[in-house]
Amino acid sequence: GQNIDQPTEMTATEGAIVQINCTYQTSGFNGLFWYQQHAGEAPTFLSYNVLDGLEEKGRFSSFLSRSKGYSYLLLKELQMKDSASYLCAVMDSNYQLIWGAGTKLIIKP
Amino acid sequence: TAGITQAPTSQILAAGRSMTLRCTQDMRHNAMYWYRQDLGLGLRLIHYSNTAGTTGKGEVPDGYSVSRANTDDFPLTLASAVPSQTSVYFCASKTGANTGELFFGEGSRLTVL
Repeated sequence: GQNIDQPTEMTATEGAIVQINCTYQTSGFNGLFWYQQHAGEAPTFLSYNVLDGLEEKGRFSSFLSRSKGYSYLLLKELQMKDSASYLCAVMDSNYQLIWGAGTKLIIKP
Repeated sequence: TAGITQAPTSQILAAGRSMTLRCTQDMRHNAMYWYRQDLGLGLRLIHYSNTAGTTGKGEVPDGYSVSRANTDDFPLTLASAVPSQTSVYFCASKTGANTGELFFGEGSRLTVL
């Protein structure tokens, strides 16, 4: 079966750095997405990785290792507004998205 | 720009009643999707449409039906609601089935009693 694993919850301090991991086992691979979802709101797109390596976008970076079935989302200079759930999703060989359950990130002052 | 609009935002429904959740997008996206989101679970695909006039079943299609008469609209119908269909429903769209990131509507919170 297809599976996406990510931690249920993480806590970090304002101004610090946090890394949210995602491991996957899917039927084929056509890219990995990270979405941010604030409580009570819709998910919004953060990043897309299809090749190995690090993609940097401001305070957020996303890394992919296809051979390890592994990705992480790195958030730097954490702000209170970064408190949200972060969803990892993999596009399989049929171009369907397989979603992880999400990681709830709690930022403390 | 409106993007994707869902209606209603929230609804309480008696078991056995029918309900249609509306979804309209103005981005001329070919692919549209309906997901449900439940606590502790990832987004689960109910139905999808890769282009106007076509639809397909997702991971959890039972009890739901969709239609795609044109590019913009993708309504989701519950023919006879059951309590297990209590959830938050998200409509989403993207440029094509194989390309682009998903854009989500604001969600419809449905409670079936």
